[in-house]
Amino acid sequence: DAKTTQPPSMDCAEGRAANLPCNHSTISGNEYVYWYRQIHSQGPQYIIHGLKNNETNEMASLIITEDRKSSTLILPHATLRDTAVYYCIVRVKGSGGSNYKLTFGKGTLLTVNP
Amino acid sequence: EAQVTQNPRYLITVTGKKLTVTCSQNMNHEYMSWYRQDPGLGLRQIYYSMNVEVTDKGDVPEGYKVSRKEKRNFPLILESPSPNQTSLYFCASSLEGSYNSPLHFGNGTRLTVT
Repeated sequence: DAKTTQPPSMDCAEGRAANLPCNHSTISGNEYVYWYRQIHSQGPQYIIHGLKNNETNEMASLIITEDRKSSTLILPHATLRDTAVYYCIVRVKGSGGSNYKLTFGKGTLLTVNP
Repeated sequence: EAQVTQNPRYLITVTGKKLTVTCSQNMNHEYMSWYRQDPGLGLRQIYYSMNVEVTDKGDVPEGYKVSRKEKRNFPLILESPSPNQTSLYFCASSLEGSYNSPLHFGNGTRLTVT
């Protein structure tokens, strides 16, 4: 499995951009990087994913380095409701040969402060 | 609204009493999966299903059964629950089982086995 490394916690001021880094140096050529977040014990919420090009949607932007060994999730204007654990995940093909599973690490606890 | 619906949200039961946690998605997704979340262990995959009538084990299948008789439903069955199955359970679905297909999660079922 391609493992990911994230800082355990980060703080951000409300209204400012939150930049969450992730290292995935062992990612394979066809594996996508996904970002999810989890608020309290709710279900993980899909944010964005990408392969090698930068991606943007209504929630966030994803910047992937050219060598694909790291990426950054950007929340352009963080609000208090963005306080959550953010997971950077690579969807890999499991041992069954057809199981494309997500392996969640410990993530980054982002705290948005007033 | 496109969603994955799990029921019940909370369940307290006793050792050995069979139970079923239901999962339904309204997005016509082919791929469905069950995860459990435990403190310090993250989310771990229990079972997955690539499409109707095709299911297979994930990383922690012991003590669980699943069935996929129709596309929208993927119930999780605990024939003889034990206290070590006390956990937070999430059902998830994606359009297909591939690298490039986001998983969407339900809101979870918190199970306590006494």
